[in-house]
Amino acid sequence: DIQMTQSPSSLSASVGDRVTITCRASQSITTFLNWYQHKPGKAPKRLIYAASGLQSGVPSRFSARGSGTDFTLTISSLQPEDFATYYCQQSYSTPWTFGQGTKVQI
Amino acid sequence: EVQLLESGGGLVQPGGSLRLSCAASGFSFGNYAMSWVRQAPGKGLEWVSTIVSTGVSTYYVDSVKGRFTVSRDNSKNTLYLQMNSLRADDTALYFCAKDELIRIGNFDYWGPGTLVTVSS
Repeated sequence: DIQMTQSPSSLSASVGDRVTITCRASQSITTFLNWYQHKPGKAPKRLIYAASGLQSGVPSRFSARGSGTDFTLTISSLQPEDFATYYCQQSYSTPWTFGQGTKVQI
Repeated sequence: EVQLLESGGGLVQPGGSLRLSCAASGFSFGNYAMSWVRQAPGKGLEWVSTIVSTGVSTYYVDSVKGRFTVSRDNSKNTLYLQMNSLRADDTALYFCAKDELIRIGNFDYWGPGTLVTVSS
C-alpha cells in the first residue's frame, strides 16, 4: 500500500497568513494526487486534482504543486472560512490512501 | 448541482449488519463510478470501496473484504453498502463520493455522511 504522510499535523495561523502543507508519498505516484478540505459536519470538498489542477469554484488563493513523491498545498492569504482540516490522497493505485490530515486553526 | 445524501446509519451490535444508501442527483449517475469513504471518530479519512459505473467491477480495502458489499441501482440513482459482521473498529462516519469520469479513485463530490456506531 502507498503511505501518504502530511506535515505538519496541525498549525496555527492568522487571517492573511500564507500557509503551506506538505504531503509525501511512500513511492512515486506521478501526479495522481488530490487535496481535500473538510470541516466538521460538512461534506469534504475537493480543492485540487492531478496534483496542481484547481477544482472549479475553488478560490485562486489555493494552489498546489509537486510530482513523484513530494507535494505541497499553499493558501496564499488565509481567510476565516479556510480554517479546516486538509487531506492529500493518492489515486495512483488501490487501496486509495489519504494523508493523516493537517488541521489549520486560529 | 451534484447532490449526494447518505442514509441508513445507526447503532448496531458487534456481529450485526447494516445497509447504507446514497441517493444521487444532479448528474448522470449511471455514467460514473461511485465510492464509499469513512472517518472513524477523531481519525482521518479512509477509502472503503469503489464500484464502477456498470457495477461489473468492485474494489475494497482489505479490512472490509468479505464483510462489505458495494452495489448500485442505476435506475434509482442509488448507491449501497451492505455491511455484515460489523466490528467496533467499523464505527465511523460513512461518506459516499462520486468519482471522476476519466479515472476512478478521484472523488470530486461528497455527501455529508451517515454515522455508523458498532457497540453492545
